[in-house]
Amino acid sequence: QVQLQESGPGLVKPSETLFLTCVVSGSSMTRVSHWGWFRQPPGRGLEWIGLINYPGTTFHNPSLKGRVTISKDMSKNQFSLTMTSLIVADTATYYCATGAYGGKFDHWGQGALVTVSS
Amino acid sequence: EIVMTQSPLSLPVTPGEPASISCRSSQTLLHTNGYTYLDWYLQKPGQSPQVLIYLGSNRASGVPDRFSGSASGTNFTLRISRVEAEDVGVYYCMQALQPPQYTFGQGTKLEIK
Repeated sequence: QVQLQESGPGLVKPSETLFLTCVVSGSSMTRVSHWGWFRQPPGRGLEWIGLINYPGTTFHNPSLKGRVTISKDMSKNQFSLTMTSLIVADTATYYCATGAYGGKFDHWGQGALVTVSS
Repeated sequence: EIVMTQSPLSLPVTPGEPASISCRSSQTLLHTNGYTYLDWYLQKPGQSPQVLIYLGSNRASGVPDRFSGSASGTNFTLRISRVEAEDVGVYYCMQALQPPQYTFGQGTKLEIK
């Protein structure tokens, strides 16, 4: 059974950089074509952050204004999110997920709460 | 940006009764390849989202057949033929048109009467 687990700091200061990693277990990453990141502010809806596909092409939510970098390491069965210049409004639960061309994100991590506060 | 609009935002349902949720996109989600890139997700209380429907009308693996999705132009509908207690949560539609600039609807909270 495929499992995803996010890891990273729970608390980040404003203007700092967030690093999150998603480890994929139970299956090789070669069996998946798209790896995505999403977030959900407390009490609010879901937002797509970005994704990386099998060839390594990345796509990002334009509202995040280029603050996002997504990468993958197939040898370690993991992919990562880097988000710079954090602000309080970036406080959210961050999810990693695996999907296919055109959506269908069928495996999700349990989520990692990231609080941006001084 | 493609805007997704869901209705209703709150849906109280009696167990055993049917339910439907609507989602409208500001642009067509029909790709030139003939596929419609619209997913439905359910986020149960305290859990991560789970996919129910992909490509507008395809049930994801393990999803009960009481869930169905349909599409008509820019209007999409998720139907539950007979609501069960385990169906409570927030339902989201998500457009997945290519190249990826995915956006979600606001969410519809289904609760049991």
